[in-house]
Amino acid sequence: DTAVSQTPKYLVTQMGNDKSIKCEQNLGHDTMYWYKQDSKKFLKIMFSYNNKELIINETVPNRFSPKSPDKAHLNLHINSLELGDSAVYFCASSQSGGGGYTFGSGTRLTVV
Amino acid sequence: AQSVAQPEDQVNVAEGNPLTVKCTYSVSGNPYLFWYVQYPNRGLQFLLKYITGDNLVKGSYGFEAEFNKSQTSFHLKKPSALVSDSALYFCAVRDEGFQKLVFGTGTRLLVSP
Repeated sequence: DTAVSQTPKYLVTQMGNDKSIKCEQNLGHDTMYWYKQDSKKFLKIMFSYNNKELIINETVPNRFSPKSPDKAHLNLHINSLELGDSAVYFCASSQSGGGGYTFGSGTRLTVV
Repeated sequence: AQSVAQPEDQVNVAEGNPLTVKCTYSVSGNPYLFWYVQYPNRGLQFLLKYITGDNLVKGSYGFEAEFNKSQTSFHLKKPSALVSDSALYFCAVRDEGFQKLVFGTGTRLLVSP
């Protein structure tokens, strides 16, 4: 049973398109995150939701919109994709109070 | 704001030798410290964490890390490296009062046979 699962694993799309990445966790955690890993392998947080409420929103273009229908799901929708959006996007979850973060296997987004 | 520094882009070690991957951190409150490993084209796997308690933390695959408050360091160690340990290692920190986990830039560990 996968703890944090993301779909799709790979996504190749043209500039200007709109795409979504889905994430689900079955760990019962109350907080979920989106991280972006660029071509130099730097990991940067984008968003965090705690019990469906947005608690972290880093400096991310408005074209990126997270949605959390319930505390087990956090989806990422990206409008008007640009070449610079090409990266690996990781979903993660944790439980408030200091627990470790569990990461999904990542979604490799390539914008052409 | 919290931050993490991993001063070495790459660490090379021969199989069977001890290894150390360095990490220093900066937080305003008490630190929660983590090490993750990433194998090629894979996600991040949790190795170990320090929240409180004993300064020497033991984790997965024989790794351990030592929390040093005075030096604000949390170096990752293993007594005897394996070729299969070759991967990208990330140190991460979060401030006690915040949910945001901040990562270092990563250190590539290369273990030669």
